[in-house]
Amino acid sequence: GENVEQHPSTLSVQEGDSAVIKCTYSDSASNYFPWYKQELGKRPQLIIDIRSNVGEKKDQRIAVTLNKTAKHFSLHITETQPEDSAVYFCAASIRRGKLIFGQGTELSVKP
Amino acid sequence: DTGVSQNPRHKITKRGQNVTFRCDPISEHNRLYWYRQTLGQGPEFLTYFQNEAQLEKSRLLSDRFSAERPKGSFSTLEIQRTEQGDSAMYLCASSSLPEGGSDTQYFGPGTRLTVL
Repeated sequence: GENVEQHPSTLSVQEGDSAVIKCTYSDSASNYFPWYKQELGKRPQLIIDIRSNVGEKKDQRIAVTLNKTAKHFSLHITETQPEDSAVYFCAASIRRGKLIFGQGTELSVKP
Repeated sequence: DTGVSQNPRHKITKRGQNVTFRCDPISEHNRLYWYRQTLGQGPEFLTYFQNEAQLEKSRLLSDRFSAERPKGSFSTLEIQRTEQGDSAMYLCASSSLPEGGSDTQYFGPGTRLTVL
């Protein structure tokens, strides 16, 4: 069935370091991969997304890479700041339908 | 605020009672999704609509749950005979189809349900 695995579940980095979160999806028909940031008690907010016809996308300090063959995609945050601390969720969808979410990564950036 | 809105924000009910939540999507978004999120987990898909048509419903969704979007605008999610296991955050999201739109799903603030 449809499944998205996300690792690690928690990640602690020093301010200024890079953070990498990895996801694996099961359905090869998946073609859209968003990443959401969720702060405590708030709604998930999209930070970056990538479609299956693209291998990499970058937006300032945030980048996402996609390996369709291996069914892996990753989020890279460079020069982390304390305000990057939150829970990050990866997700996958097919033909713009429902999102299947990973289990989440709690990122802590220590000043 | 022109984003997705949900009401109520919080609902406390006793086991066995019925509850209804409302979601108002971003204007002109024709897709509307319902998800459920429990503490420490990612959102779990429940159902979604394209305009007024319910296109998919999760197999995990009990028949106590029903959702409607009668005019293709706002949607309601009703839970009948609530159980303690229904306690969760219920999130609504909306998106527009391509052809000038985006498949990005924008989430509302959620309705937190507590079943005593």
